[in-house]
Amino acid sequence: DQQVKQNSPSLSVQEGRISILNCDYTNSMFDYFLWYKKYPAEGPTFLISISSIKDKNEDGRFTVFLNKSAKHLSLHIVPSQPGDSAVYFCAARLNRDDKIIFGKGTRLHILP
Amino acid sequence: GAGVSQSPRYKVAKRGQDVALRCDPISGHVSLFWYQQALGQGPEFLTYFQNEAQLDKSGLPSDRFFAERPEGSVSTLKIQRTQQEDSAVYLCASSLGVIAEAFFGQGTRLTVV
Repeated sequence: DQQVKQNSPSLSVQEGRISILNCDYTNSMFDYFLWYKKYPAEGPTFLISISSIKDKNEDGRFTVFLNKSAKHLSLHIVPSQPGDSAVYFCAARLNRDDKIIFGKGTRLHILP
Repeated sequence: GAGVSQSPRYKVAKRGQDVALRCDPISGHVSLFWYQQALGQGPEFLTYFQNEAQLDKSGLPSDRFFAERPEGSVSTLKIQRTQQEDSAVYLCASSLGVIAEAFFGQGTRLTVV
């Protein structure tokens, strides 16, 4: 039973436009959410996170939105750049010291 | 080093062979995690250490998998009698423990033939 779901395996976005990656979760006890970015042949790289007590966190071009009632979070990238092409993993933790549970990932293609 | 280091980067093992995968976490990081990533999938949790204590090993797929971190720093993931379904990328991550973000190494790609 998958606790973190990324239902879109891939997404293509024009350079300069907004990329929106979505994630749903089933466990209401998750209290911390993270996004990781992965290039081929490299390990995942931490991108941005959000605590369950917040509904938005912004870092430069990246913003994460959390809707607890819908058990949904999204990552917005604006404007999208060619270097953003990668696989993006949504992840969640039950507390700050517990394991991180990952979704299956969404491959983002930024088109020139 | 500045990041999490894993060795070897690539390992080819014959079915039935034992393998040992090494992880050097970021210095001072209390928590260490092992994940298995199959092709096209997200990382799947295997086990977790806080210092030398293995607090969670619920993700280890069978008793052929064993992990240790005897001095609370370097960790080794051992797989005995490897099988083809063990072929995957094995990722190690470390974190300060009280900070949620974990930093990953580049992984070890294991191919069992």
